[in-house]
Amino acid sequence: DQQVKQNSPSLSVQEGRISILNCDYTNSMFDYFLWYKKYPAEGPTFLISISSIKDKNEDGRFTVFLNKSAKHLSLHIVPSQPGDSAVYFCAASEVQGAQKLVFGQGTRLTINP
Amino acid sequence: DAGITQSPRHKVTETGTPVTLRCHQTENHRYMYWYRQDPGHGLRLIHYSYGVKDTDKGEVSDGYSVSRSKTEDFLLTLESATSSQTSVYFCAISESGGLGTEAFFGQGTRLTVV
Repeated sequence: DQQVKQNSPSLSVQEGRISILNCDYTNSMFDYFLWYKKYPAEGPTFLISISSIKDKNEDGRFTVFLNKSAKHLSLHIVPSQPGDSAVYFCAASEVQGAQKLVFGQGTRLTINP
Repeated sequence: DAGITQSPRHKVTETGTPVTLRCHQTENHRYMYWYRQDPGHGLRLIHYSYGVKDTDKGEVSDGYSVSRSKTEDFLLTLESATSSQTSVYFCAISESGGLGTEAFFGQGTRLTVV
């Protein structure tokens, strides 16, 4: 049973507009959430994270929102740039010793010029 | 970039043969992980290590074993490779498991079992 779900396999956005990627989770024990970005033939790279005690975290063009009651988080990218085209993975973990991440299936974001 | 090297980067092997993938880090991080990536599943944790000779199972550990005899090396062994183990394997490291730390990933090993 998938504990972290990204229901949109792909998303296409025009350059300069906002990209919104969504993620849902079912395990109420998760207390740390992360977004990773992945280019082809490379490993995932960390983008931004948020702990369960917050509802928003911002880093430059990237903002992550967490709605604990809905078990939903989203990543906003504004403005979107061509270099943002990649697969984005949502991940979650319980903060206990090792950071055992549970990943969503990924969303392929394409930024069109 | 975090100092993580996976070897080999690509491998084709036959069903039933043993295969060992290597992950080497130069960051002296305590935790090391092996994940596999498959379409429709994202990345799934196979095994992880929390110190030399200290390892534990992840979500999809059947058919895999690991060893960590030195801080810098974490080996993943497929005891008898099957076609269902065709995948891209990623090693990751993290300094700790606490808030504010993140896992860094290697570039991956593409394994094909024929």
